[in-house]
This record gives sequence, structure tokens and C-alpha cells, in this order.
Amino acid sequence: DAKTTQPPSMDCAEGRAANLPCNHSTISGNEYVYWYRQIHSQGPQYIIHGLKNNETNEMASLIITEDRKSSTLILPHATLRDTAVYYCIVRVNNNAGNMLTFGGGTRLMVKP
Amino acid sequence: GAVVSQHPSWVICKSGTSVKIECRSLDFQATTMFWYRQFPKQSLMLMATSNEGSKATYEQGVEKDKFLINHASLTLSTLTVTSAHPEDSSFYICSATSDNEQFFGPGTRLTVL
Repeated sequence: DAKTTQPPSMDCAEGRAANLPCNHSTISGNEYVYWYRQIHSQGPQYIIHGLKNNETNEMASLIITEDRKSSTLILPHATLRDTAVYYCIVRVNNNAGNMLTFGGGTRLMVKP
Repeated sequence: GAVVSQHPSWVICKSGTSVKIECRSLDFQATTMFWYRQFPKQSLMLMATSNEGSKATYEQGVEKDKFLINHASLTLSTLTVTSAHPEDSSFYICSATSDNEQFFGPGTRLTVL
């Protein structure tokens, strides 16, 4: 699976949009971009994933650049409960149930 | 989404004892489950892949005789930390695959005194 690079930490004001970047310059054509987050002392929580088109769900939006070498996770209106470590992971999506390789992630601190 | 549970959520044990952690898929069947370990302020590290009805596959550096994995049914995988020592103190997290997506349990915090 391709490696990802994320900033180690970011701050965001409550109510503002949080934009979390991720570089995955060695991504392959059949690899998807996944985002998970981990709130302190809990298991990771799935947020969103995409292949090449931008995606949106009730939690966030995922913007993938046209060359697919980077992406941005957007939390449109961050709340204090969004404080967590956010992991960007790229992997092949197949029926083998591939394990996820976690990098360092970005520690997002939402401040009042 | 699918729900994965772990039991216990935390455990404290004496050095030299064995501890069993259960991972259950509550509303789906999982032929594959994964066990991760997370030390403080670090990321999750995959320990092993648990396959129902067959032997687990361990990552490099993980002792299979120390971390015993049993995946006896499609809804239950267990991780037994044998002869636990203080350096085994960590946050153990399992995940299960459903419809090609991974769902994580809430984790088990193990403290070995």
C-alpha cells in the first residue's frame, strides 16, 4: 500500500472548517484514499473514502486532486468533539479484506 | 455501520499471568479479523491477521507463542497475551471486515504490573 504524509498537528477554531491535508504521491491507480479518526482511548472510526471523485457524507467531505497525489479532508463546522487524531490511508479495495496501515496521522485540536 | 465489540475494555494483571481479550462482530460475520497494538502517543501497529478456521498470520517481530490468536467462529476472535510483562502494557484494538470495509472495536487497555 502507498505511503501517506500528514502534518503531525493542526488547530482549528470551533465552528470553522477544518481542512486536513494528506500527500500520497506514490498512490497506484487501484488504491483508494481512506480517512479514519481516533478519539482518545477509543478505536478508530471510519469517516470517508474515495477513489478519484470528490465525496461527501454526513461527517465530512473528501477532495482528491486530479492527479490523485494528494487529498484534503474537510470538516465543514468543527466542534470540540472533533478533536482527535485523523489518519489518511491508501489501500487497494478488494474482497481480501486488506489490513490498514496507519501512519502518524494529524492530531486535530478544536479550540473554543 | 457494522459493530465490533471487545471485552474487557480494560484489565490490570500481575506480571507472569495470561490475559484473554475477546473481539466480536455483533451483527455480521467476519472471516477475517485484525489485531492491532497501540502504545501511548503512537500509531496503531498491526500485530496479526486472524482467519476463521485457520492459523493466524503474524507480522514480523510479533511472537506467535506469546500472542495466541484463536478465531473459532465467524463472530469471535480471541487474543491471549501469555506470561504478560510490563512491556506488554498497551492498548489492543481489533477490527473486522464487512463488505470490504473495516470496523474497529473500542479497544482494550492492558496494564501489567
